[in-house]
Amino acid sequence: QSALTQPPSVSGSPGQSVTISCTGTSSDVGRYNRVSWYQQPPGTAPKLIIYEVSNRPSGVPDRFSGSKSGNTASLTISGLQAEDEADYYCSSYTSSSTVVFGGGTKLTVL
Amino acid sequence: EVQLVESGGGLVQPGGSLRLSCSASGFTFANYVMYWVRRAPGKGLQYVSALTGYGGTAYYADSVEGRFTISRDNSKNTLYLQMSSLRAEDTAVYYCVKDRGAVAPSFDFDYWGQGTLVTLSS
Repeated sequence: QSALTQPPSVSGSPGQSVTISCTGTSSDVGRYNRVSWYQQPPGTAPKLIIYEVSNRPSGVPDRFSGSKSGNTASLTISGLQAEDEADYYCSSYTSSSTVVFGGGTKLTVL
Repeated sequence: EVQLVESGGGLVQPGGSLRLSCSASGFTFANYVMYWVRRAPGKGLQYVSALTGYGGTAYYADSVEGRFTISRDNSKNTLYLQMSSLRAEDTAVYYCVKDRGAVAPSFDFDYWGQGTLVTLSS
């Protein structure tokens, strides 16, 4: 149950786009379309922003998008806003019938 | 409105035990897989345990298997996590989390509680 691999940090200026990668294995990300992304601003609980690779829950802006290729999933945030500054986590269902998270990526809006 | 409210966290000595509770409201509790997820200080989220809607099947992370027990009382809309043989590395905020899927589990989490802090210290 090794954690999925995410970059520790990314940054971008307001209005720009950033992409956060999430690399797993053929037993999780590569095998299932059960990849999710969560946003966690400081001091708050995580919030689901993408599920099943590329679907957005109601209320999540379309600036947030997800994709997957092979064992790597990606979250792209376009038109960066100051309020997007948070920690971002990916997760995936696994062949062990559990869920594994990524290590988290801190997004800084410059 | 869906609400998940955790309780039971606190300071405990290594080797000790603690039981966390999560009171749920705003949805048909028995229909959903429920989870515990934790975040240790300075670290990322970690899946801890899951329990199917009618309590038939439980799943655990390797790091807690044999030490933690997840359970639920659907008549009280409450999820529990009994933790024993606690270790320093169990120090974390523990979140009660709801599965998004209504008919079958989706393995993604649409509602989270605010968390309860468990601190291991001698």
